[in-house]
Amino acid sequence: AQKVTQAQTEISVVEKEDVTLDCVYETRDTTYYLFWYKQPPSGELVFLIRRNSFDEQNEISGRYSWNFQKSTSSFNFTITASQVVDSAVYFCALGKGDKLIFGTGTRLQVFP
Amino acid sequence: SAVISQKPSRDICQRGTSLTIQCQVDSQVTMMFWYRQQPGQSLTLIATANQGSEATYESGFVIDKFPISRPNLTFSTLTVSNMSPEDSSIYLCSVESRGQSYEQYFGPGTRLTVT
Repeated sequence: AQKVTQAQTEISVVEKEDVTLDCVYETRDTTYYLFWYKQPPSGELVFLIRRNSFDEQNEISGRYSWNFQKSTSSFNFTITASQVVDSAVYFCALGKGDKLIFGTGTRLQVFP
Repeated sequence: SAVISQKPSRDICQRGTSLTIQCQVDSQVTMMFWYRQQPGQSLTLIATANQGSEATYESGFVIDKFPISRPNLTFSTLTVSNMSPEDSSIYLCSVESRGQSYEQYFGPGTRLTVT
C-alpha cells in the first residue's frame, strides 16, 4: 500500500526562524516520484518540487531546501529565514505513474 | 507550467441538485485529473480523464455520482450529481505538464457548499 504521512499538523514560528516540515512515505515501488505543494489561504495548489526515487541529491532553491533520504523513506522540506508569506498548508505527495497520493498536510503559520 | 482555469470559483447549492464544474487549460494535455478536498482535509483523486475515452474512477467514486466529460485536449467537466451536504468540498482539476513527466499542476479550485 502507498501512504504519505505528515505527522506535524500545525507549526507556528516567528519570522526569520528556520522550519522543517517532515514527510515520510511508504511504497513498494522502486520507481516513484515525490512532490511538495503549497496551498496558501487563497486555496490554489502551488507546485514546489518533484524528486524521482533515483535522485537522492538534496536540492536548494532560494530559501527552500529539500532532504531526500531513501533509507528512512523521508522527504523533508526546510524553509530558511521564514517569512509571513510562507504561511500556508504544505502537502507532500507520492506519485506513481499519474496518480498522486497526498499527505494530510502541515499548516505553517509564520508570525511577524 | 500550464495555466488552468476553473468555473465557477465557488457556488452554494441546494441538496438534490447537480453542479457542473469546468476546467480549461491553455495548452493541449493528454491527462486531466479531478481531485476533491473536503474541509480541512487532504486531496483525494476522484478520477483521471483522457480525451476520447471513459474516465477512470478511483475506489469510492462512481460515474453516476461524478460524471466527467473530456471532449478535447484542453477542456474537461466534472458534474457533482444529486448533491448532499457531504459533497461540500473544494474540487480541483489538474494536468500533467507536457515535457515534465509526472509534474502535475492544479487549477484554482471550485469551492462548493451544499445546504
